[in-house]
Amino acid sequence: EVQLVDSGGGVVQPGGSLRLSCSVSGLTFDDYAIHWVRQAPGKGLEWVSLITGDGYNTYYADSVKGRFTISRDNSNSTLNLQMNSLRTEDTALYFCVKDISAAGTGGYGMDVWGQGTTVTV
Amino acid sequence: SYELTQPLSMSVSPGQTASITCSGHNLGHKYVCWYQQKPGQSPVLVMFQDNRRPSGIPVRFSGSNSGNTATLTISETQAMDEADYYCQAWGSNTVVFGGGTSLTVL
Repeated sequence: EVQLVDSGGGVVQPGGSLRLSCSVSGLTFDDYAIHWVRQAPGKGLEWVSLITGDGYNTYYADSVKGRFTISRDNSNSTLNLQMNSLRTEDTALYFCVKDISAAGTGGYGMDVWGQGTTVTV
Repeated sequence: SYELTQPLSMSVSPGQTASITCSGHNLGHKYVCWYQQKPGQSPVLVMFQDNRRPSGIPVRFSGSNSGNTATLTISETQAMDEADYYCQAWGSNTVVFGGGTSLTVL
């Protein structure tokens, strides 16, 4: 069974930093792109970032570009999201999500979601 | 930036058909996915590449995409289908979600 376990959330002051992690099991990790998607309280889904299966390409939403950095360690099947210069509007539940494809582009679909980790700024 | 527009809410009677729309410029030229989210739960992929159902998703869920509109159709709607539904596509080097549609079954 494919599982994604998000961790690292917490309470932080505006301007502070936080590092989220996602541990993945049950699949060949570098065969798939991974996304971070967030959901503010009572709001809809907002895409945050994407990293391709090989780790060579990354993409960011305009709202986080220059402040957040996505990375992956294919040897440990883990994904990270370094969040700097946090703002109150970054308060949300953050989901680590597996893409159907290695590229993650093209809108093929996100088929496995973590349980989410809460960030409060 | 690319945008996807969904109705905020809709209601359907049990056993009837619900059609949830998602609009975007030339959306028919892109792949569209749909996610179902129930309160307190992570989203679940219910349709991908316009009209493909993941394993475990009931056959009463179907999808289409043409022109500027994609549609998720739920036939013979059941109470368990009450949820928020989000469409998603690939925009200009970004993933784009629609604002979500709250489906009420009553």
